[in-house]
Amino acid sequence: GAGVSQSPSNKVTEKGKDVELRCDPISGHTALYWYRQSLGQGLEFLIYFQGNSAPDKSGLPSDRFSAERTGGSVSTLTIQRTQQEDSAVYLCASSLSGTGGTGELFFGEGSRLTVL
Amino acid sequence: GQSLEQPSEVTAVEGAIVQINCTYQTSGFYGLSWYQQHDGGAPTFLSYNALDGLEETGRFSSFLSRSDSYGYLLLQELQMKDSASYFCAVRLMDSNYQLIWGAGTKLIIKP
Repeated sequence: GAGVSQSPSNKVTEKGKDVELRCDPISGHTALYWYRQSLGQGLEFLIYFQGNSAPDKSGLPSDRFSAERTGGSVSTLTIQRTQQEDSAVYLCASSLSGTGGTGELFFGEGSRLTVL
Repeated sequence: GQSLEQPSEVTAVEGAIVQINCTYQTSGFYGLSWYQQHDGGAPTFLSYNALDGLEETGRFSSFLSRSDSYGYLLLQELQMKDSASYFCAVRLMDSNYQLIWGAGTKLIIKP
């Protein structure tokens, strides 16, 4: 696609429910990142994919969070048993590669998660 | 630990010039990047400095001094649409994908 696409754009859920957030990166981009951003705050790194593998999952806040990437393209971030502190905007970004050049990241518009 | 420090907020007047600083304590890195994020929007790439010195792109310029562990983003002829948050980030050499981000500077522009 022309840009990074994320869905849903907004998700309101009840505490304890599971949610899935989807990211469709720019075609040909091998590197994919998930970040979390709370209101007025900076970017919190969650996980990085190179192709389908995730060499760094160190940013995932707890074992309730998991992510996968299939076919070197679409990625899904899953949050199980959501808690109110999970409320934030979840941003996905992709780049041509993890190395080289400017390393410019292309971000999606994010998925705003609200846990009631 | 690795960190980048930015002022949390900067205020300037429309038409003026403003400088947003970024000081860092990191291991070796490839370059310093700047991103802009409007409220409710996605971060977008502005500039990248691989080498020391000034990079100019229209009204925006970015500077890096590795010897001083310091960089800045310079915005000239400020327009109301420049009101946004600005983030600096570096890509570490010992982790070829990992970016370390500053906490962001909210730029407030007054008429």
